Amino acid sequence: GDQVEQSPSALSLHEGTGSALRCNFTTTMRAVQWFRKNSRGSLINLFYLASGTKENGRLKSAFDSKERYSTLHIRDAQLEDSGTYFCALGTGGYKVVFGSGTRLLVSP
Amino acid sequence: GALVYQYPRRTICKSGTSMRMECQAVGFQATSVAWYRQSPQKTFELIALSTVNSAIKYEQNFTQEKFPISHPNLSFSSMTVLNAYLEDRGLYLCGAGTNSDYTFGSGTRLLVI
Repeated sequence: GDQVEQSPSALSLHEGTGSALRCNFTTTMRAVQWFRKNSRGSLINLFYLASGTKENGRLKSAFDSKERYSTLHIRDAQLEDSGTYFCALGTGGYKVVFGSGTRLLVSP
Repeated sequence: GALVYQYPRRTICKSGTSMRMECQAVGFQATSVAWYRQSPQKTFELIALSTVNSAIKYEQNFTQEKFPISHPNLSFSSMTVLNAYLEDRGLYLCGAGTNSDYTFGSGTRLLVI
């Protein structure tokens, strides 16, 4: 079965507001990466975490291997934040499992 | 820092033709390279894992005959999509590293017309 559950699948935000994306996983994962796919289809690497939290500008991510989840918080959303966000979990081997993505639309 | 470049970023090929994409690791040695595909409306699927000095391992539904991969050294890998058809369109992503701590490229977007 699916090892990673990403939610929500779609999210609409007004400029200046914020929300959180979440990836729950069912097996032991060593690390998480968060990406955004932009309108041109390219992936932008946002965070890599093996534990704890990281913050970069208006984005903050957390990874808890014991509780089996990772989150990506967006605050003060801007129009350019629109895109599809993916989490990717490393299992400790050479395989990485991707979440199904969250389509974020930021509107004025 | 560790970077992975993929080329081309976007490409269009005619149905039935082939298209080669490249993955270049910069700043680290990529003993392992994994190729993924994200088809429209789907999440990423692992196509194959290439480890230097080991046979390339293809996942179910992907074959060497369709997606031949070259991994000649610790900084470069390429994959070809042979006889591309509509169902092959999507975003092809390479990840490179020495364990599951991969560094990903930005992807090659393939359109098939």
